Amino acid sequence: DAKTTQPTSMDCAEGRAANLPCNHSTISGNEYVYWYRQIHSQGPQYIIHGLKNNETNEMASLIITEDRKSSTLILPHATLRDTAVYYCIVRVPQGRDDKIIFGKGTRLHILP
Amino acid sequence: NAGVTQTPKFRILKIGQSMTLQCTQDMNHNYMYWYRQDPGMGLKLIYYSVGAGITDKGEVPNGYNVSRSTTEDFPLRLELAAPSQTSVYFCASKPPGARDTQYFGPGTRLTVL
Repeated sequence: DAKTTQPTSMDCAEGRAANLPCNHSTISGNEYVYWYRQIHSQGPQYIIHGLKNNETNEMASLIITEDRKSSTLILPHATLRDTAVYYCIVRVPQGRDDKIIFGKGTRLHILP
Repeated sequence: NAGVTQTPKFRILKIGQSMTLQCTQDMNHNYMYWYRQDPGMGLKLIYYSVGAGITDKGEVPNGYNVSRSTTEDFPLRLELAAPSQTSVYFCASKPPGARDTQYFGPGTRLTVL
C-alpha cells in the first residue's frame, strides 16, 4: 500500500484559503487520493477524491501534481467549523483487499 | 435513511468482561469496517467485510471477533476486555465501487478498567 506523509498540524486564519499538503511518492497508477476530515469526537467525513485530474466540489478543491507524488487539499474560505483533523489516504486495490488505512493526519486550527 | 448507527454510545467494562458493539447500516452497502481510534491517534482498521458471510482481518484484529450474517449488521465482539482496548470504535460502510466513499457511524467510546 502506498503511504502518505502529512504535516502534524497547521494554522490558518478564518476567511483565508487553507492549503493542506500530502506526499504519496509510492502511489501506483490505479490508486486514488482521498481526503477525509474528523471533527472532534465525530466519525470521519468524506471530503473529496481524485485520480489524476484536479477536482472541486462544494467543500473543497483537490490539486494533484502531474507525477501524482503529492497533492494539496484546498479549503477556499476557511471557517471556524473547519477546525478538524484532515486525513489524506491513498486507496488500496479493490476486492477482498478493499480497505482504507488512516494515518495520523493534519490537525488544522482555524484562527479567528 | 438513518445511515450507519452504532450502539452503545458509551460503555465501561471491567477487565475480563465481554461485550458486543453493534453496527447497523440501512444503505444496502456490501462493505463494512470496524476501526478503533486511540486518543490523539489516527484510525486503525480492526476487521472488515466485503459481504455477508465474509470477514477479513485488518491491522489490529487481536482481541476481537466479528461476524456478518446479514448485509445490514456487522457486530464486533470483545471476549476478554483489557485496558489496552480502551478506545473509540467507529463502524463504517461503503458500496462496492472503486471510487465510492466510506460512511461512518458516530462511534462507541469504550473504557476498560
